[in-house]
Order: sequence, then C-alpha cells, then structure tokens
Amino acid sequence: DAKTTQPPSMDCAEGRAANLPCNHSTISGNEYVYWYRQIHSQGPQYIIHGLKNNETNEMASLIITEDRKSSTLILPHATLRDTAVYYCIVRVPAAGNKLTFGGGTRVLVKP
Amino acid sequence: DAGITQSPRHKVTETGTPVTLRCHQTENHRYMYWYRQDPGHGLRLIHYSYGVKDTDKGEVSDGYSVSRSKTEDFLLTLESATSSQTSVYFCAISEGRMGGDTIYFGEGSWLTVV
Repeated sequence: DAKTTQPPSMDCAEGRAANLPCNHSTISGNEYVYWYRQIHSQGPQYIIHGLKNNETNEMASLIITEDRKSSTLILPHATLRDTAVYYCIVRVPAAGNKLTFGGGTRVLVKP
Repeated sequence: DAGITQSPRHKVTETGTPVTLRCHQTENHRYMYWYRQDPGHGLRLIHYSYGVKDTDKGEVSDGYSVSRSKTEDFLLTLESATSSQTSVYFCAISEGRMGGDTIYFGEGSWLTVV
C-alpha cells in the first residue's frame, strides 16, 4: 500500500486557514488521496478526496501537486470544532478497496 | 449522516465468552468493513465484505470471524473473547466503485473484555 507521511501535530488559530500537509511519494496513477478526521472517539468523518485535480467542497479544499507526490488539505476558516486528528490516506483500488490509516496529524485550533 | 447503525454501542463481557457485533446499513452499499482502534495503533482493518457471503481478511483478522447473509447486515464475531480484543470497533460502508467512492463510518462499538 502507498504510504503517507504527516506531521504528528500542529496548532492553528481560530478563524485562520489551516494547511495540513501530506507526503505520498510512492502513490500510483490510479490511487486516490482521501482525507478523514476523527473528533475525540467518534467515527472517522469523511472530508474530501481527489485523484489529480484540486477539489473543493463545503468542508475543505484539497490541493494535489502536479507530480501527485504530496497534497495539502486546507480548512479555510478553522473553528474550535475543527480540533481533531486528520488522516491523509492513499486508497488502493485493488484488494478490497480499503482505507489504510496511518498516525494522522493532531490539529489543535486555539482561540 | 450515512445510514449505519452499530449494535451494541457498549458491551462488557468476560474472557472466553462469544461476542457478536452487528453493523446495519440502509444504503444498499456493496462493501462493508470492520475496523478496530486501539491507542497507539490507529484504525486497523479486521475483515471486509464485497457482497453477500463474500468476505475477506484484513490485517488483524486472527480471533475474529464475520458473516454477511444480507446486504444490509455485517456481523463480527469474537468466538472466545480475550482481553487483547478490548477495543473500539468501527463499521464502515462504501458503494464499491473502485477508487473514487466514499467510505462512511459508523459511530463505534466499545467492547471491554474482563
């Protein structure tokens, strides 16, 4: 499975944009980048995913580099409720089409 | 929220007893998954199903079995619970389109084996 590398933790200020980096240098051409977050002990929450193009939805934007070796999740206006662990995952289409979770980034939004 | 219901949400059981966790979906999705989450390990896949009666193992399948007799239900069974199976268990579902669909997670089942 393609591996991802994320910083273990980061802080950001309430109301400011939060930029969460992810490296996935071994990603293959048909593998998607997914982002999930987990707030305390709740079930992981889907945020966004993409293949090649940048994506935006009501929660966040996903910027994927042209070589696809890294990506950035952008939370445009972080709120205290965005405090969570954020997981960047490369999803392999074969073998169950499953998600393999790494350690994620623990994001703390401060007032 | 995706139509996923896990039951029971909380259970305490004794070592050696059988335990079954149920995941029920109302989305008619083809794929269903069982994950467990432990401190320091993140979420790890136990088993998954890609259709009725079609299941396969994940990375931590020892000590667990699954069954899927209907599209909407995916059962996870611990034949003889051990303390190492104390964990939070998450069910997930997806349509099954290769690569581009979304996996949705349930709210979790907390299992304590004493």
